[in-house]
Amino acid sequence: GAVVSQHPSRVICKSGTSVKIECRSLDFQATTMFWYRQFPKKSLMLMATSNEGSKATYEQGVEKDKFLINHASLTLSTLTVTSAHPEDSSFYICSAGVGSQYNSPLHFGNGTRLTVT
Amino acid sequence: QKEVEQDPGPLSVPEGAIVSLNCTYSNSAFQYFMWYRQYSRKGPELLMYTYSSGNKEDGRFTAQVDKSSKYISLFIRDSQPSDSATYLCAMSAGSVNQFYFGTGTSLTVIP
Repeated sequence: GAVVSQHPSRVICKSGTSVKIECRSLDFQATTMFWYRQFPKKSLMLMATSNEGSKATYEQGVEKDKFLINHASLTLSTLTVTSAHPEDSSFYICSAGVGSQYNSPLHFGNGTRLTVT
Repeated sequence: QKEVEQDPGPLSVPEGAIVSLNCTYSNSAFQYFMWYRQYSRKGPELLMYTYSSGNKEDGRFTAQVDKSSKYISLFIRDSQPSDSATYLCAMSAGSVNQFYFGTGTSLTVIP
């Protein structure tokens, strides 16, 4: 149980275009989902916390107008990288805990490798 | 001081060895402790989840938590080449929806 599906797994786009990444909890409901960015051989960097039915909470230094997050249902959150530039190339990973339980461990998607040319 | 400290390694061991991975933390409010395994270009996979102090065993994996020392460990017995991955520790207080991750330890098990 507790499967998180992330799509696409890999995307290549041209500079200036927008890319949408989907994160779905397949067999559980997730009030909160988290979006991370990971650089090569580095740990996870929390970008934002996505709350179902309300605005996302962004970490300091993360541009909310560039990284648009929508959490329209208890099983789906999306991250849209707007006007992507080469420096946005990275590995993006989403995660979710079960329901609204703060003592639930996080379950991760398999990540999206974004390359902006 | 970082909330969670983890030696990044890399750690290289022969097949069959016992591996010990560790994290220390500074926040005494942490009560929930997790270990994740991350293969290259994949998302982290939950290996172990423990609450408070004590040991938890699952197959070849044992997680230990020592809250008095603010120290957690993951032991891998009879290590296999398929265990080669980066191992991340994570923890939370459980009272708010915040998780703190170590930087990860890169492990290679040599056949």
